[in-house]
Amino acid sequence: DTGVSQNPRHKITKRGQNVTFRCDPISEHNRLYWYRQTLGQGPEFLTYFQNEAQLEKSRLLSDRFSAERPKGSFSTLEIQRTEQGDSAMYLCASSQGALLAKNIQYFGAGTRLSVL
Amino acid sequence: DAKTTQPTSMDCAEGRAANLPCNHSTISGNEYVYWYRQIHSQGPQYIIHGLKNNETNEMASLIITEDRKSSTLILPHATLRDTAVYYCIALLPDRGSTLGRLYFGRGTQLTVWP
Repeated sequence: DTGVSQNPRHKITKRGQNVTFRCDPISEHNRLYWYRQTLGQGPEFLTYFQNEAQLEKSRLLSDRFSAERPKGSFSTLEIQRTEQGDSAMYLCASSQGALLAKNIQYFGAGTRLSVL
Repeated sequence: DAKTTQPTSMDCAEGRAANLPCNHSTISGNEYVYWYRQIHSQGPQYIIHGLKNNETNEMASLIITEDRKSSTLILPHATLRDTAVYYCIALLPDRGSTLGRLYFGRGTQLTVWP
């Protein structure tokens, strides 16, 4: 399978705990995006990487959230001191970077977080 | 990025064409129209995109009005597996630092019934 891979698929945690999600993009895709989706809503942009550089962060990304993409390959999204409001599906997407980029983003299946 | 407006829900009989409308009256001249869909419990899936001309691929057809203020996604022979939320998104592929982040609305829930 050469698609975007996200792990774990499901995560249940207690309020106050830290969690970390991983995303493996399609190889050779230098753009990587994180989105969050709550029930009944469309995905909302969180942050974006071009290679290893984090170029933009949404206001949704509070100080408790941090994302990294070391070496421009896989990415991790960490949430510290989780709150019940963090319960959501966290989606990762990747796309090619090119002068005539069509920005077709390929999404993983997501990590569903439940904070108890 | 231009705001898009879609009906909340639609349904369609299996085997018939599904026509999903989208209004984007504030779209600028160089903004593309993208369609994605999201099947329950999966990540969004790219379907098609276009700028001015009508487009067709193996999944669907995209009809854009001449004034570009609206478009229609056509699934020519809907199947039960096409039941999903369909998102219409207008954006510039690359724009400074945003570099094409997608703005999803609430989309249209398409239900295909047997």
